[in-house]
Amino acid sequence: DSGVTQTPKHLITATGQRVTLRCSPRSGDLSVYWYQQSLDQGLQFLIHYYNGEERAKGNILERFSAQQFPDLHSELNLSSLELGDSALYFCASSGGTRETQYFGPGTRLLVL
Amino acid sequence: GENVEQHPSTLSVQEGDSAVIKCTYSDSASNYFPWYKQELGKRPQLIIDIRSNVGEKKDQRIAVTLNKTAKHFSLHITETQPEDSAVYFCAPLSGAGSYQLTFGKGTKLSVIP
Repeated sequence: DSGVTQTPKHLITATGQRVTLRCSPRSGDLSVYWYQQSLDQGLQFLIHYYNGEERAKGNILERFSAQQFPDLHSELNLSSLELGDSALYFCASSGGTRETQYFGPGTRLLVL
Repeated sequence: GENVEQHPSTLSVQEGDSAVIKCTYSDSASNYFPWYKQELGKRPQLIIDIRSNVGEKKDQRIAVTLNKTAKHFSLHITETQPEDSAVYFCAPLSGAGSYQLTFGKGTKLSVIP
C-alpha cells in the first residue's frame, strides 16, 4: 500500500458524460500528479499540482481539467467523454524526496 | 520533450536466471532514473531508483546502472523468481525543475518455473 488513495475504483459511463476522479496523496505530500494508462498510448503524464497550484501540464486534453484543494486532495474532471477516454487513471504523490512518486491504485474508466 | 526507449519489449527467462532491461533517454538534463514494476491491473510500484551522481545502486536481487554519457540506464534482476513476472517501466525524470516522469513502453518479463 503506497498511502495514496483513489476513488472510485471502477467507473462505467456513456459517451458525452462527465465524471470526476478523486485522489488523496500520502500524508504530508504536497505534490499530486495524474497519469493516464491506455493500451495504445501507454502511461502518460497529464498534469502536476503542488500545494494547490498547477505546475506542469502534459498530454492533457482540453476536455480534461484538474484541481488540488486546500486539504491537498485532487480531482480530475473528464467531460464530453469519448470511447477513447477509456483507460486506467492513476494519481501519484511526492513529498520530501520530491522526485520519488508513489502511485495510487488507479480508477478504471470505461466509456460505452 | 523527453524521448524514452525501452528494450526488450518482452523477455522470458528461466527461474534462477538473470534479466536485464535497458532504457535510453534523450534529455541530457534528466537527473533521476526510477524503475517501476506493474502487475496486471495494479498500480506501478517503485522498485529502485538512482540519481545522476551515482553510477550503480543495488537492493538485494535488483540493481540499476546508469551511464549518463551514453544516456542509458539498465535494470538488472538476478536469481529471478516467478513473482518477478510483471511489466517493468523505466521513467526518467525530465531535468530543469520538472517533476514529470516520462515512461517507457514497458518490458513484459515472464519467469518460467
